Amino acid sequence: DIQMTQSPASLSASLGETVTIECLASEDIYSNLAWYQQKPGKSPQLLIYYANSLNDGVPSRFSGSGSGTQYSLKINSLQSEDVSIYFCQQNYDSPPTFGGGTKLELK
Amino acid sequence: EVQLVESGGGLVQPGRSLKLSCAASGFTFSNYDMAWVRQAPTKGLEWVASISTGGGNTYYRDSVKGRFTISRDNAKSTLYLQMDSLRSEDTATYYCARQGSSLTGSSYFDYWGQGVMVTVSS
Repeated sequence: DIQMTQSPASLSASLGETVTIECLASEDIYSNLAWYQQKPGKSPQLLIYYANSLNDGVPSRFSGSGSGTQYSLKINSLQSEDVSIYFCQQNYDSPPTFGGGTKLELK
Repeated sequence: EVQLVESGGGLVQPGRSLKLSCAASGFTFSNYDMAWVRQAPTKGLEWVASISTGGGNTYYRDSVKGRFTISRDNAKSTLYLQMDSLRSEDTATYYCARQGSSLTGSSYFDYWGQGVMVTVSS
């Protein structure tokens, strides 16, 4: 199985700040990488797919980048509603596998 | 509006069975591959099983092969997960998810249900 390693595991940032979350795959996944946001007590929601394609309705302050084995999610101008756990997921090979998550909190 | 509503969860003893259902609406159910994804308490996400549009192809994670069965009824727009020989490590919130289009052997998940809790304990 392809292993997905996210960093950091937790992150504290201030309103208006820019934050970046990293995801490292154990092998090349050719940009088949999705990012999800899970707010407290809620189900995950798709933010980005194919590494940099923004899902419908997702604010433009979210962006994704990367290639090969290294990918990142950037949130510009952090808002209070962005407090969540963020997960990456590879969909290059079966089984689809997720990163361990990054918990984003407000400072 | 796409909606996925799971039901059928609960407390069950180890070795017993449980069947989850997921009622879909707001899209043409028969046009999409579907999946179950679970999340153990305070843990990460774990794909469980997927099924093709017509139900003819099913895929499972190794730890549930031979114990879980994914199926669908396109006439009822409903997805199922039959879980037999349940173990304590199957305790989790189970999410029904719609799979996005993909050219690879796997997929991302573009819509998720609210989840249903399954607790396996004596």
